[in-house]
Amino acid sequence: LAKTTQPISMDSYEGQEVNITCSHNNIATNDYITWYQQFPSQGPRFIIQGYKTKVTNEVASLFIPADRKSSTLSLPRVSLSDTAVYYCLVGPLRNQGGKLIFGQGTELSVKP
Amino acid sequence: EPEVTQTPSHQVTQMGQEVILRCVPISNHLYFYWYRQILGQKVEFLVSFYNNEISEKSEIFDDQFSVERPDGSNFTLKIRSTKLEDSAMYFCASSEVQATNEKLFFGSGTQLSVL
Repeated sequence: LAKTTQPISMDSYEGQEVNITCSHNNIATNDYITWYQQFPSQGPRFIIQGYKTKVTNEVASLFIPADRKSSTLSLPRVSLSDTAVYYCLVGPLRNQGGKLIFGQGTELSVKP
Repeated sequence: EPEVTQTPSHQVTQMGQEVILRCVPISNHLYFYWYRQILGQKVEFLVSFYNNEISEKSEIFDDQFSVERPDGSNFTLKIRSTKLEDSAMYFCASSEVQATNEKLFFGSGTQLSVL
């Protein structure tokens, strides 16, 4: 499984766009990139998953450059309720074992 | 959106006691997992379960731990003789397809405190 590196923490203000970048230099050809969100005292929640270029859903966008050695989670116009820890995970789909390896994540703090 | 439910939300026990943490996965999911998170630390994989068998387990999941699907809806984690270091939030998760990077649905967790 590819190692990931993300900023430990980020601060933002309500209404701003937040971009969290994850480095994964050793990403393999069959690896996908997935982001989870975790609020305090809750389990992680799937946000978005992608393989290349750009993926967008109702919550966020995921930008993946051509070399796939990094990815950026973009949260448009954040609110206070987006304060959470965001995890970037990299690995193949349908791998035997089915375990996710969480890193330390990025603690996003949104201020009024 | 369908939910994974866990009970109890909090469990306090004495060291050496047995505890059973309970989970009801999403009904059409076939793969089940337990993770734990010690306060201030990473979310750690414990075990995955499919077709009434353990698929994979981490080094944390030693002989003190066991999992079971006693009926068609529940999925349990048993810790036979709890230690102080077992104090953590335990999360159950389920998915439709077993995968390292497939979408997992997590419950809200059981906070276990071992005294």
